[in-house]
Amino acid sequence: GESVGLHLPTLSVQEGDNSIINCAYSNSASDYFIWYKQESGKGPQFIIDIRSNMDKRQGQRVTVLLNKTVKHLSLQIAATQPGDSAVYFCSPYRTSYGKLTFGQGTILTVHP
Amino acid sequence: DTEVTQTPKHLVMGMTNKKSLKCEQHMGHRAMYWYKQKAKKPPELMFVYSYEKLSINESVPSRFSPECPNSSLLNLHLHALQPEDSALYLCASSRLGRGYEQYFGPGTRLTVT
Repeated sequence: GESVGLHLPTLSVQEGDNSIINCAYSNSASDYFIWYKQESGKGPQFIIDIRSNMDKRQGQRVTVLLNKTVKHLSLQIAATQPGDSAVYFCSPYRTSYGKLTFGQGTILTVHP
Repeated sequence: DTEVTQTPKHLVMGMTNKKSLKCEQHMGHRAMYWYKQKAKKPPELMFVYSYEKLSINESVPSRFSPECPNSSLLNLHLHALQPEDSALYLCASSRLGRGYEQYFGPGTRLTVT
């Protein structure tokens, strides 16, 4: 018979392009929203956080946008490089709970 | 030093074996975490230690036994595991009050035969 596996969302871009990775969330009681990246063979790495009372936060080559009306979070990566190829996870964070709950992840592949 | 180290990198064990995973950090972090990650899935939290005391147990089976002997070390003792426990086990640490910014180790790839 045919087997069906779980397929992560994927994004494939050319080097130098801008990338946008999206994440939907359901819990509005979070204090922060976080982005992590996980390169092949490595543990996740913190990228950037945004407090729930903010709409936008910029870091080095990355910008996170938070739209609380539609419960949507995005990570924009400027001038994407091959080293950005990884799986990207978002997570809400509630200080009183003290734990991360990662989303399913998005695979970003950057072609030279 | 912003590194979290984990040993061993790979571990193969039988269902009757007892083994331990080790994790170490020297960043002065007082919160430490164990996660389990299956292939093509996100990491799932197992345990959280704060000030060397267990603060969160995500209903993990008792065949997994965590231990935090001091502020730099975190162990995960394994006994009578099942093949479905095969996964990547990740350790992380963070400053208290900044639990959203965790530093992860590279993980231990565990295979249960």
